[in-house]
Amino acid sequence: AQSVTQLGSHVSVSEGALVLLRCNYSSSVPPYLFWYVQYPNQGLQLLLKYTSAATLVKGINGFEAEFKKSETSFHLTKPSAHMSDAAEYFCAVRLKGTARQLTFGSGTQLTVLP
Amino acid sequence: DSGVTQTPKHLITATGQRVTLRCSPRSGDLSVYWYQQSLDQGLQFLIQYYNGEERAKGNILERFSAQQFPDLHSELNLSSLELGDSALYFCASSPTGTTEAFFGQGTRLTVV
Repeated sequence: AQSVTQLGSHVSVSEGALVLLRCNYSSSVPPYLFWYVQYPNQGLQLLLKYTSAATLVKGINGFEAEFKKSETSFHLTKPSAHMSDAAEYFCAVRLKGTARQLTFGSGTQLTVLP
Repeated sequence: DSGVTQTPKHLITATGQRVTLRCSPRSGDLSVYWYQQSLDQGLQFLIQYYNGEERAKGNILERFSAQQFPDLHSELNLSSLELGDSALYFCASSPTGTTEAFFGQGTRLTVV
């Protein structure tokens, strides 16, 4: 079975600083990997996905993530944080094949300080 | 707007009651997924339907059931409700042949 670990349930950064949200996965085979964002009282919005093409994936709102098989990691980064980035971020994994449901990490709440 | 519509947005009900949550997937999406988000369990997969048939089951309680209708909308039925069932319930739909899932805004269920 696959699983996802997000290190740090709360991360605070200053506006303009680098954002780094950590995600490690456990899977018997290389999975598909996703980052979703959830704003207060909203649904989940897909930021980016890794589907075994390029290992560096660019997403919306200036976010990107790098798939590192050797480290079983898929960390999310953004060079310069904006106040509007404050939200909860979820890393998710999905196996290839017929099992298409997502397994989510526990989430990281990002706070951006002025 | 993801194109996935969930109703109602909020629901308050008493313990022991039964409720039905509704989901309309994006136009053309055959797959519908239900997830539960709670403070203690996080985001958990409940069940998936594909073109009217149950495709996968996750951590769904026996008191819960779902179905997908010929027009592809889905309903999640929760019965004999307990305080611990209070959560945000999400529906997601996925186009066939893609890896993405698009989430609705969720239904916030409060059991009192």
